[in-house]
Amino acid sequence: GESVGLHLPTLSVQEGDNSIINCAYSNSASDYFIWYKQESGKGPQFIIDIRSNMDKRQGQRVTVLLNKTVKHLSLQIAATQPGDSAVYFCACSWTGNTPLVFGKGTRLSVIA
Amino acid sequence: EPEVTQTPSHQVTQMGQEVILRCVPISNHLYFYWYRQILGQKVEFLVSFYNNEISEKSEIFDDQFSVERPDGSNFTLKIRSTKLEDSAMYFCASSPGTPLSLQPQHFGDGTRLSIL
Repeated sequence: GESVGLHLPTLSVQEGDNSIINCAYSNSASDYFIWYKQESGKGPQFIIDIRSNMDKRQGQRVTVLLNKTVKHLSLQIAATQPGDSAVYFCACSWTGNTPLVFGKGTRLSVIA
Repeated sequence: EPEVTQTPSHQVTQMGQEVILRCVPISNHLYFYWYRQILGQKVEFLVSFYNNEISEKSEIFDDQFSVERPDGSNFTLKIRSTKLEDSAMYFCASSPGTPLSLQPQHFGDGTRLSIL
């Protein structure tokens, strides 16, 4: 079966510092990886995605890195802001329209 | 920006009763999903729906669960006889495109289902 795990359940960073959230997955057939942000009382909000034929993708203040050799995914947030405080989930699937397998989530707390 | 909307935001139901959770997916999306999240745990897939039929379902989605797209906009999840362990946040999601496209699923803000 497929499982997705998070290396750290909580992460505290100073405002303005960079944050790195890590994720490991087990199914090498996964082709599509997504990071979601979940604020309290809300649903998962799409942040950034990456296909398995890429190893890096950048968005606004966020970068996702994919290492298929060790089946590892990371989310980097530059200049972390208080509004970035949330739980971050990685998820993977075979394609965009197949079921997502979520990790347990990492709670990011930004210290002002 | 288009969004997935879910109603109600909170549903309290007696054990053994039927409950229907409602979702309006993003209008031009073709794939619809239900996921659930038990408090403090990860999000788990329940079922996906495409072209007016279930395309995949998980072990959680047993005979007590059913989904329906009764009209062109709504997508519902019915639990026939609720159990205490059905208490969770239920998220609806939708995604555009063809079966092999790589586009993200967009989630609603969920319905918190509390079974008493």
